[in-house]
Amino acid sequence: EAGVAQSPRYKIIEKRQSVAFWCNPISGHATLYWYQQILGQGPKLLIQFQNNGVVDDSQLPKDRFSAERLKGVDSTLKIQPAKLEDSAVYLCASSFSGREQFFGPGTRLTVL
Amino acid sequence: AQKVTQAQTEISVVEKEDVTLDCVYETRDTTYYLFWYKQPPSGELVFLIRRNSFDEQNEISGRYSWNFQKSTSSFNFTITASQVVDSAVYFCALANYGQNFVFGPGTRLSVLP
Repeated sequence: EAGVAQSPRYKIIEKRQSVAFWCNPISGHATLYWYQQILGQGPKLLIQFQNNGVVDDSQLPKDRFSAERLKGVDSTLKIQPAKLEDSAVYLCASSFSGREQFFGPGTRLTVL
Repeated sequence: AQKVTQAQTEISVVEKEDVTLDCVYETRDTTYYLFWYKQPPSGELVFLIRRNSFDEQNEISGRYSWNFQKSTSSFNFTITASQVVDSAVYFCALANYGQNFVFGPGTRLSVLP
């Protein structure tokens, strides 16, 4: 069974630029999560989807971050415009039952 | 609000020693899940265990064991006879039935040969 796929693996941008990350969950997993992990900290949940509906986006900075999961499968997380403090690893995870989460390798974002 | 505390920032042990990683949580919910994840140097989070708040039985899986005590809001993780491959950052996490996942800050474990 293929795991959670994410791309790109690394991204370097200048502040105020835009960036997008893509995630393809494990086949059949209805729940998809985006996390932000700043160096030295635990992952912070940004948004949780159930199929193509948003379950929780309470910690998503909606003035600059957006996410979509249009067909209930893969998802895109966008930052526009990026700030220096957005430098982090962005993790995508999926779950079949909303319990165990399976994580992708992450996208390491550096904002200069 | 939910919160997970892992007071041990870093732990170093010598191979074959036993080590316990502490996790204390706060929640107002009566129904919740607790998790442990391992993040090796490669960076990918690996699921280790999930515990339902109604099930306080301790669990053992090989060299790993977990002690869940509702009375003290703790969910501690013990590695017996540690190995170098156990070196990683370990995260405890809390969720209320599949939502509102909160991770602790993590404990970095170094197992020295």
